[in-house]
Amino acid sequence: GQNIDQPTEMTATEGAIVQINCTYQTSGFNGLFWYQQHAGEAPTFLSYNVLDGLEEKGRFSSFLSRSKGYSYLLLKELQMKDSASYLCAPVEVEGNTPLVFGKGTRLSVIA
Amino acid sequence: GAVVSQHPSRVICKSGTSVKIECRSLDFQATTMFWYRQFPKQSLMLMATSNEGSKATYEQGVEKDKFLINHASLTLSTLTVTSAHPEDSSFYICSAREAGLSSYNEQFFGPGTRLTVL
Repeated sequence: GQNIDQPTEMTATEGAIVQINCTYQTSGFNGLFWYQQHAGEAPTFLSYNVLDGLEEKGRFSSFLSRSKGYSYLLLKELQMKDSASYLCAPVEVEGNTPLVFGKGTRLSVIA
Repeated sequence: GAVVSQHPSRVICKSGTSVKIECRSLDFQATTMFWYRQFPKQSLMLMATSNEGSKATYEQGVEKDKFLINHASLTLSTLTVTSAHPEDSSFYICSAREAGLSSYNEQFFGPGTRLTVL
């Protein structure tokens, strides 16, 4: 089974930087996904980390520490459109298994 | 990128009726599709794994006789909510993995179906 923990809500100011943390406990590990979900819409892929370290992709970066069971999503130069839920999904088993999501973090970007 | 569609996007039905939701992979083949349900301000909860040509695997607490899943082809899975009740009102989202990518778990999500049971 999996235990995934994320903050429920966060608020940040337009133009700022925000870090969304995710800690997890899984029996196995085969990488970790971050998805973004706007209200009433489907989740969209942001990142997939397999190795330790930071992966940067434009304004969004994702960090993974396998030994600590810890990941974070870093959003820079926040825009109003970044207001959404951010879902962390560690992959427990390699192969044809479904993604199991944490409760997600609802980010509100304010002016 | 891979595209997954769902139909209908919204449906309103009377209590006691059945509703069918379709999930299609448009430009790839999907041996496995997944069905999720999402209540307001909550995360996606996995309901079942739909396998092409075989029975679906349901998560604990999900009634297989109420939520009928059929995966008749490599591009289509259907979820039928039978004898729907107001508590079944939710946002239903399907996702699919591309066949042949055994070690990469990325799932492509459909746009979701908003079900309202009166």
